[in-house]
Amino acid sequence: AQKITQTQPGMFVQEKEAVTLDCTYDTSDQSYGLFWYKQPSSGEMIFLIYQGSYDEQNATEGRYSLNFQKARKSANLVISASQLGDSAMYFCASEAYGNKLVFGAGTILRVKS
Amino acid sequence: DVKVTQSSRYLVKRTGEKVFLECVQDMDHENMFWYRQDPGLGLRLIYFSYDVKMKEKGDIPEGYSVSREKKERFSLILESASTNQTSMYLCASTLWGRGQDEQYFGPGTRLTVT
Repeated sequence: AQKITQTQPGMFVQEKEAVTLDCTYDTSDQSYGLFWYKQPSSGEMIFLIYQGSYDEQNATEGRYSLNFQKARKSANLVISASQLGDSAMYFCASEAYGNKLVFGAGTILRVKS
Repeated sequence: DVKVTQSSRYLVKRTGEKVFLECVQDMDHENMFWYRQDPGLGLRLIYFSYDVKMKEKGDIPEGYSVSREKKERFSLILESASTNQTSMYLCASTLWGRGQDEQYFGPGTRLTVT
């Protein structure tokens, strides 16, 4: 079974600084996808970024980038130039058969002004 | 614009009641999912469906059932609600097929069972 581990229950970052949210995954699949979602206090899940296991380049979407280290089975999210609006819960997830997602426990990020 | 809606944002039910949570998507997606979210546990898959009248158990199906009579609607049923089913319930949908198709989530239903 797939498993996602997010070891940081909570993180603080100063506004305008970069922050890395850790994610390690455990899968026996050869082909898989990794996702990051953001959940603000309002509760909706917002898709941030996707990395395919065969993608050679690290995924980037605006201020978000994914530091993908396949051999270490890690898919860390890097947020550059943090903003107050980045304060939220962040979930890492892996894709299992049938487009199912397996989620980690999440990391709460607080951006300080 | 992509839309997944859930019938209620907040719901309070009594132990033993039968509870229906409704989810509707307007994107013609084949796949639909029900998750529950609990602090420290992330989101866990309850049931999912690939097509009308098709359903498969997720990781925590006990105490739940589902119904998908129409492609756009996926219902989660708590046959006899219990206090340990107090949680946030999230519905999601996506196109069929592996790849980078993200799951689109509804706003969630916060269910309290007293």
